[in-house]
Amino acid sequence: KNEVEQSPQNLTAQEGEFITINCSYSVGISALHWLQQHPGGGIVSLFMLSSGKKKHGRLIATINIQEKHSSLHITASHPRDSAVYICAVANFGNEKLTFGTGTRLTIIP
Amino acid sequence: EADIYQTPRYLVIGTGKKITLECSQTMGHDKMYWYQQDPGMELHLIHYSYGVNSTEKGDLSSESTVSRIRTEHFPLTLESARPSHTSQYLCASSVPGLGKTDTQYFGPGTRLTVL
Repeated sequence: KNEVEQSPQNLTAQEGEFITINCSYSVGISALHWLQQHPGGGIVSLFMLSSGKKKHGRLIATINIQEKHSSLHITASHPRDSAVYICAVANFGNEKLTFGTGTRLTIIP
Repeated sequence: EADIYQTPRYLVIGTGKKITLECSQTMGHDKMYWYQQDPGMELHLIHYSYGVNSTEKGDLSSESTVSRIRTEHFPLTLESARPSHTSQYLCASSVPGLGKTDTQYFGPGTRLTVL
């Protein structure tokens, strides 16, 4: 069992819909990252969270440390949001990241 | 905006060839990483470096080797490529953040196919 589980694995939605991607982890962490991977393979770091909530444009990330759970939300989704969204955690005392398998998001015009 | 580069972006080679995947960053980051990602699978750390002349193996065993002679450069070498090495290789570097956790910046990746 992977230490980092994401759901759903695949998500298709209409343009404008509110999107939620979930991430659960099983170990104590110092921080959680949300990454976006485009079809060409390049990865962009969206958020790094250790508590609470962060917002950047139409993207919102939340984390509940007690429940070992994080969510990534996209408001007013757009086809350019289509990508794989990856959750990664940094363990306490170890800066190396453990990655989830990603959620493939497709936004249909 | 982070400046981290990887070359080549795509590489198709025959079995037995020696290859070097290049990774460079212009941000002066001490920490650099190599990840391997098979299609549809999670990234796995195969090598990392905390500075010049420092290299360590990651969580996933790999037949590749790395070197860190200069801060900005972290090449990965396969002495004799095999089809099992077909994968995407992603390089990253990091800058210390608040607390203990660094923000990692990723390169565009090299997609390697070994025939």
